Amino acid sequence: GENVEQHPSTLSVQEGDSAVIKCTYSDSASNYFPWYKQELGKRPQLIIDIRSNVGEKKDQRIAVTLNKTAKHFSLHITETQPEDSAVYFCAATSYSGGGADGLTFGKGTHLIIQP
Amino acid sequence: DGGITQSPKYLFRKEGQNVTLSCEQNLNHDAMYWYRQDPGQGLRLIYYSQIVNDFQKGDIAEGYSVSREKKESFPLTVTSAQKNPTAFYLCASSQTGGRNEQFFGPGTRLTVL
Repeated sequence: GENVEQHPSTLSVQEGDSAVIKCTYSDSASNYFPWYKQELGKRPQLIIDIRSNVGEKKDQRIAVTLNKTAKHFSLHITETQPEDSAVYFCAATSYSGGGADGLTFGKGTHLIIQP
Repeated sequence: DGGITQSPKYLFRKEGQNVTLSCEQNLNHDAMYWYRQDPGQGLRLIYYSQIVNDFQKGDIAEGYSVSREKKESFPLTVTSAQKNPTAFYLCASSQTGGRNEQFFGPGTRLTVL
């Protein structure tokens, strides 16, 4: 099955600086890679996702890059703000025709924005 | 994601008792999923269902059971065979085909005493 590794486990950055979180996956059949943000005690919320036919995707201050050959993908947050403090999870799965087999998640990165 | 509800929010049970967690969605999604989250861990897939009356085991299905009799509902039973059931349980749903974003419910925190 799929295995997703995520680094670092904790990331502390100064407000206004950029943050980068990296993930690797093992199954070359995986073709959908979402990123979720989870605040303490709350449900995960999708912040951005990318499919394997795309190398990069941006949404305002957030971007995701995908390298299929190396089987890794990264989340980039620019101009970080206090409200970006949360736990971020990467995930991977394969979609073929109908539905998905469920997501395989990394263990999460606790992002701390220092004022 | 407001279209997925889970109940109850907190649940306490004695060791050896079965307990059923509710998950309902009104998003008209075909696929539904159950995940377990432990402190400091990512989410792990328990069971998933892509269509009514059909479901598949995920990575950690042992000690759990599910049913999918209606499109809107996907209840999870935590049986006494689950060795360490205390955790945060999250239900999710998604479309099949097209955009595949999984929307999560608010979760149920189960504590076994």
